[in-house]
Amino acid sequence: QQQVRQSPQSLTVWEGETAILNCSYEDSTFNYFPWYQQFPGEGPALLISISSVSDKKEDGRFTIFFNKREKKLSLHITDSQPGDSATYFCAASRAGNTRKLIFGLGTTLQVQP
Amino acid sequence: EAGVTQSPRYAVLQEGQAVSFWCDPISGHDTLYWYQQPRDQGPQLLVYFRDEAVIDNSQLPSDRFSAVRPKGTNSTLKIQSAKQGDTATYLCASSLHISYEQYFGPGTRLTVL
Repeated sequence: QQQVRQSPQSLTVWEGETAILNCSYEDSTFNYFPWYQQFPGEGPALLISISSVSDKKEDGRFTIFFNKREKKLSLHITDSQPGDSATYFCAASRAGNTRKLIFGLGTTLQVQP
Repeated sequence: EAGVTQSPRYAVLQEGQAVSFWCDPISGHDTLYWYQQPRDQGPQLLVYFRDEAVIDNSQLPSDRFSAVRPKGTNSTLKIQSAKQGDTATYLCASSLHISYEQYFGPGTRLTVL
């Protein structure tokens, strides 16, 4: 059973639009949620992250919105650019000594010029 | 600062053959992770080390997979008697144990025929 779920599986937006990528989880012990960006043939790159004590994290055009009660978060990419076309992974980690990341299946974003 | 490096970048094997993957983490990072990423899926943790000690290898198929990090720096992941189901990209990541942030290498794409 997938512990971290992402939707949609794929998403196409026009250049300049806002892309919204969704993530949900079941385990309430998860407290750290990074988003990774992966281009074909490359490893995932850390894009932005949030801890469960915050409800919003912003970094330039990328914003995470976090709803702890509903166990949902979303990544908003404003003013999408063709260079943002990639696969985005939501991941989660539990509090404590463990540093294990559990990844979702990813959302593939295509930004049309 | 150099990132995580991995070699080889590609490997093609027949079933039953052995293969080794090598990882050089970011300098100073005491924690090293090996992930398996099947095509069109998210990375899945196989094993991780803090210094030279294995912290978690619960997802490592121990009958055919082994991983070592003898001096707490570089690491080797080995597959004995590869199977077609092992076809995937093998990713190495590193971090400081006090941080949740993991940094990934480019991966080794393995194809088992």
